[in-house]
Amino acid sequence: NAGVTQTPKFRVLKTGQSMTLLCAQDMNHEYMYWYRQDPGMGLRLIHYSVGEGTTAKGEVPDGYNVSRLKKQNFLLGLESAAPSQTSVYFCATIPAIGVKYEQYFGPGTRLTVT
Amino acid sequence: AQTVTQSQPEMSVQEAETVTLSCTYDTSESDYYLFWYKQPPSRQMILVIRQEAYKQQNATENRFSVNFQKAAKSFSLKISDSQLGDAAMYFCAYERFGNEKLTFGTGTRLTIIP
Repeated sequence: NAGVTQTPKFRVLKTGQSMTLLCAQDMNHEYMYWYRQDPGMGLRLIHYSVGEGTTAKGEVPDGYNVSRLKKQNFLLGLESAAPSQTSVYFCATIPAIGVKYEQYFGPGTRLTVT
Repeated sequence: AQTVTQSQPEMSVQEAETVTLSCTYDTSESDYYLFWYKQPPSRQMILVIRQEAYKQQNATENRFSVNFQKAAKSFSLKISDSQLGDAAMYFCAYERFGNEKLTFGTGTRLTIIP
C-alpha cells in the first residue's frame, strides 16, 4: 500500500497562474483533508471532505477550491495563485468517524508563488 | 473556537537525557482527543502518541509519555532517553469527538545535542 501520496512534491508558480494538487489514497478512507503549513503557524485546515462528492470549508478556504469526484482522490485547486499562497501543503485522511481518529498524512507539497 | 498553544518555540536536550514539551489547549467540550505529531526534516508528519480525554490514565509509547491534566487543559510530552533521531518539530493537536478536524499548535523545534 502506498498510503497517502501527493503530486507534485514541489512547484513554482508565477502570480496569477493556476494549478491543481492531487492527493491520492489507497486505504479506502472516507475523510480527506487539505492543510497548509506556514512558519510559526502550525498546520491550518483549508478544506475537507467527508465522502465522495462532498466538500466543506475549513479555517482558511479563501483562494482555494476542492473536488472529490472519486473516493480515493482529493484535489486542491488554486485558480489564480498569489504570493500569500506560498506554503507547504499536506493532505491527510482518516477511515471514518469513530473508526480510528488519528490522521494519516501525505509527504507534503512545497509550493512557491513568485 | 478551540485553540492549542505551544509556548516553547525551541527546546534542546542532551542525548540520553529527558525533555518535556508543553502544550495547553482551550475547549468547552468534554469529549476530545489530543495528539503529538513529529515532523522530521523529511516533512512527513508522524503520529507519536494520542490521548483520549475520557481516559484518566496517561498514554505511553515506549520512550514517549504524556502528562494529561484535563482540568488544567494541559498535555505535555515527555521524551526519555533522547536519541538523535528524535530531533524534529513536534506539534500538539486537538480533535473534538465527532468532528474529525485537527487544530494544531505552532510547534516546538527539538534539538538533540550529542
